[in-house]
Amino acid sequence: DIVMTQSPDSLAVSLGERATINCKSSQSVLHSSNNKNYLAWYQQKPGQPPNLLIYWASTRESGVPDRFSGSGSGTDFTLTISSLQAEDVAVYYCQQYYSIPYTFGQGTNLEI
Amino acid sequence: QVQLQESGPGLVKPSQTLSLTCTVSGASTSSAGYYWSWYRQHPGKGLEWIGYIYYDGTTYYNPSLKSRVSISLDTSKNQFSLELMSVTAADTAVYYCAAHFSTVPYNWGQGTLVTVSS
Repeated sequence: DIVMTQSPDSLAVSLGERATINCKSSQSVLHSSNNKNYLAWYQQKPGQPPNLLIYWASTRESGVPDRFSGSGSGTDFTLTISSLQAEDVAVYYCQQYYSIPYTFGQGTNLEI
Repeated sequence: QVQLQESGPGLVKPSQTLSLTCTVSGASTSSAGYYWSWYRQHPGKGLEWIGYIYYDGTTYYNPSLKSRVSISLDTSKNQFSLELMSVTAADTAVYYCAAHFSTVPYNWGQGTLVTVSS
């Protein structure tokens, strides 16, 4: 199984400041056939399902504010929120969908 | 926009079979390119992929659950289903169905809490 490790586990950021969450995979999730990283980022608020923010490591899902961005390739990835808003308080997960079983990071709890 | 809705019993007795159905709207479960997945989240914990069924009926399961899980497709009702056998308290979780297109997990249902208890 590919192990996904996020850092930090918890993060407190002031309103308007930048938040950065890291995700490292135990194996590369870059597919050589199409040069795509099979990596997604989700936001989850209490009592709600995960909400897809980013896929292919850096493609923003439709309707997601442009303050959210994803970067990285191979085994190291980053989710950046450029200017934190109050509604961004949530738990954030990375997921690899490169190989079965699909696996998630342990989550990062983002607070203000 | 694909929408998914889980349904099924919220309480299952130990050693019995957990059965859930996901009803899909906005897409056909027989459309090429779609993978129909089940995930779960233990209370206060992270996310776990259970398995998926491809539009053609091909299934893939998490090896950690493979001996107890079955996912099936009913294209006439535009639904897919999960069966998890011989449940214990460790199977208490919120269960989500999700739609992947070209492997990307775009859409999730709202989730349903299943409690295993006598």
